[in-house]
Amino acid sequence: IAGITQAPTSQILAAGRRMTLRCTQDMRHNAMYWYRQDLGLGLRLIHYSNTAGTTGKGEVPDGYSVSRANTDDFPLTLASAVPSQTSVYFCASSDLRGEQFFGPGTRLTVL
Amino acid sequence: KNQVEQSPQSLIILEGKNCTLQCNYTVSPFSNLRWYKQDTGRGPVSLTIMTFSENTKSNGRYTATLDADTKQSSLHITASQLSDSASYICVVRGSSGTYKYIFGTGTRLKVLA
Repeated sequence: IAGITQAPTSQILAAGRRMTLRCTQDMRHNAMYWYRQDLGLGLRLIHYSNTAGTTGKGEVPDGYSVSRANTDDFPLTLASAVPSQTSVYFCASSDLRGEQFFGPGTRLTVL
Repeated sequence: KNQVEQSPQSLIILEGKNCTLQCNYTVSPFSNLRWYKQDTGRGPVSLTIMTFSENTKSNGRYTATLDADTKQSSLHITASQLSDSASYICVVRGSSGTYKYIFGTGTRLKVLA
């Protein structure tokens, strides 16, 4: 692995279903983030983690949960998906200088 | 409220021409400002970072400027290429608060042959 990866690349999901978006980085960065990107809006922070074992809420956390069991992985879970969660989701990590590195994104459609 | 505003929203130019993208911010206290390039279907990639004491920084054909007094930044692209077609996002990092990174909505640039 080189950098930060996300899976799946895209997903179509029925409303009410549970879904976990995966994110893995191999840069040993302490901080990781989940953003959603919607047309006409800047990236909005969903949840973040400053280090393994800790998480925090961002700007738009409702309907999402995260965990950070180790440094490399930061999964994002939608417990019961709703159509308003249709978006492109980006995972990112940041180094000690604060530079963020983004994954390729997951395009999620909730019907 | 901490905000980052970019202009224009979209821009179309001919290959070989120059262009300048603008970013105004109200984030305070300020730590740094980054410009990212986001190709369609990809995640953003950092182009430059500007700290409070820096006025100008270049990365190849990309030159970023920062005026911390007026809270304005610009990204100048010289001799544009077709591969420059992308969205350019201005991101300001505050030095306090939970939401450390404030994202602009981006400028969508299209370079035509």
